[in-house]
Amino acid sequence: DTEVTQTPKHLVMGMTNKKSLKCEQHMGHRAMYWYKQKAKKPPELMFVYSYEKLSINESVPSRFSPECPNSSLLNLHLHALQPEDSALYLCASSHPGQGPTNYGYTFGSGTRLTVV
Amino acid sequence: AQTVTQSQPEMSVQEAETVTLSCTYDTSESDYYLFWYKQPPSRQMILVIRQEAYKQQNATENRFSVNFQKAAKSFSLKISDSQLGDAAMYFCAYRMHNNNDMRFGAGTRLTVKP
Repeated sequence: DTEVTQTPKHLVMGMTNKKSLKCEQHMGHRAMYWYKQKAKKPPELMFVYSYEKLSINESVPSRFSPECPNSSLLNLHLHALQPEDSALYLCASSHPGQGPTNYGYTFGSGTRLTVV
Repeated sequence: AQTVTQSQPEMSVQEAETVTLSCTYDTSESDYYLFWYKQPPSRQMILVIRQEAYKQQNATENRFSVNFQKAAKSFSLKISDSQLGDAAMYFCAYRMHNNNDMRFGAGTRLTVKP
């Protein structure tokens, strides 16, 4: 299995809703990432988990709450989002920094989030 | 902080021709990795080619090759025999060795004309 699977592919939520994005990989990667991508912009790093521990939080608002329950799963819990949070949310995985970092990241196809 | 610059927002190439996408980066590190990713309308980021900074030889993957100039901090992507399926956004990316932080350039939108 060489894929990163993200669900759902599309999500529309109200500003008072609570929802979660899910990401799964079975490649034995021990680093997992959340990126946010606005239209016609590059992906922006949000969070990094290394060996199931949060290692990087790029000053993301607390309405985004990541969780890494095990080495294959990564969740992003959403609560009280704003319309400007509408974007494509990409999950990626890789060997962690101590591993073969030259292999880059494997990305999922993203969740298109719309906040209304 | 490391930055990645792609100075060409859009490029166009005729099918079967060759096109070069530019990328420069800024770093004080000596050990790092560079990547080109392709993002078609399907949204998934696909790794096209990678280069280790310690290797002098330019990486090649079939029709894709890079021109890595470490001293100039330049990392351009050459696509030969362009195909319609090459049309996509192309992102240049940098990752420091032993670091879980990959940074992307602003991207270049490549159009392939039949």
